[in-house]
Amino acid sequence: SQQGEEDPQALSIQEGENATMNCSYKTSINNLQWYRQNSGRGLVHLILIRSNEREKHSGRLRVTLDTSKKSSSLLITASRAADTASYFCATVARNTPLVFGKGTRLSVIA
Amino acid sequence: EPEVTQTPSHQVTQMGQEVILRCVPISNHLYFYWYRQILGQKVEFLVSFYNNEISEKSEIFDDQFSVERPDGSNFTLKIRSTKLEDSAMYFCARGQGAFDGYTFGSGTRLTVV
Repeated sequence: SQQGEEDPQALSIQEGENATMNCSYKTSINNLQWYRQNSGRGLVHLILIRSNEREKHSGRLRVTLDTSKKSSSLLITASRAADTASYFCATVARNTPLVFGKGTRLSVIA
Repeated sequence: EPEVTQTPSHQVTQMGQEVILRCVPISNHLYFYWYRQILGQKVEFLVSFYNNEISEKSEIFDDQFSVERPDGSNFTLKIRSTKLEDSAMYFCARGQGAFDGYTFGSGTRLTVV
């Protein structure tokens, strides 16, 4: 299975701190994506990193990818209470649809 | 870009009844997907739809499930005879292929009683 697995399962930080979430997967991939889900809502695409990329930035988000270790990290800098949500990594392998991990629940305390 | 709209937002149905979940991708995207998320669990792939045909389906997507794109914009998931374990959030998504992110709808919460 190519499933991504995030850790930690839950993370609680103070507003202004940085939040780091990690994801590991098992098979070769085309790309890895991070999604955010507010409670009871849909999934919002945050960022996509291709297998030949090592780092990508988008606003306060920084994603790294280490294909040798089959792992990725999502860093949210200067977190805000509005960043409270579940964050999922998802992988795309050749000719397969998106496969999600179990997610990390992030709580940012004001 | 227009969002993916799913209807209804919440549906309660009796076990054994048929349900149809609707999605309006409103786009020229080629790929459409259905995923589900049982409460507190991971998001699971059900089926992908490309060029008006099923391109891939998971083990979950058994004979009780079917998908259709009856016209140019609507995309439906039908569950013929619902079971209690079908209770979940069902998400529709659209994509452009392997190197693009998916755009998800806000989901339909299905409760089977």
